[in-house]
Amino acid sequence: RKEVEQDPGPFNVPEGATVAFNCTYSNSASQSFFWYRQDCRKEPKLLMSVYSSGNEDGRFTAQLNRASQYISLLIRDSKLSDSATYLCVVEAYGQNFVFGPGTRLSVLP
Amino acid sequence: DTAVSQTPKYLVTQMGNDKSIKCEQNLGHDTMYWYKQDSKKFLKIMFSYNNKELIINETVPNRFSPKSPDKAHLNLHINSLELGDSAVYFCASSQDPGGMGNEKLFFGSGTQLSVL
Repeated sequence: RKEVEQDPGPFNVPEGATVAFNCTYSNSASQSFFWYRQDCRKEPKLLMSVYSSGNEDGRFTAQLNRASQYISLLIRDSKLSDSATYLCVVEAYGQNFVFGPGTRLSVLP
Repeated sequence: DTAVSQTPKYLVTQMGNDKSIKCEQNLGHDTMYWYKQDSKKFLKIMFSYNNKELIINETVPNRFSPKSPDKAHLNLHINSLELGDSAVYFCASSQDPGGMGNEKLFFGSGTQLSVL
């Protein structure tokens, strides 16, 4: 089993749609959790950290379920500019950040 | 000012050559990394240094040798390049806040290595 797994995608959604991405991780000792965004041919950039209580940043909501070792990202009211690959990232130990394979999102006009 | 800068941006070379990629961060971070992103877009850690000390060394051929002259620099030297080394290599850095969940990775813009 891979350390971090994500929905394979791609997700093609119309503008204004709500889309949800799922991620699971295998190491129960993982400490910190993040969603990163990567545009084509660019470096990954932090979208948001994920906290146990769940957290929201504008149209983006992240949830963490430690018992199920599951992380989610919800994007509401999708914009064309949200088209990118979304990477689930888990900090396993000692700042070892493990990346999932990514889920590609295309928001269509 | 670019926070994490790596050079060169593109590197095209022949099999068997030796090449280096340089990385510098001006964020005052303690930890620096090298990641490799292959053609399937999977981002995998190669090395991590904390304050010039090697702390993560994943299963990477010993043709790859990282060097950290100080905590702001982490260079990657690759000997005897092979076709399979073609990928995008990303340098990154993070602070070490002691596991408070606020760690963030800051990436350089990547080096596209093409081995012919």
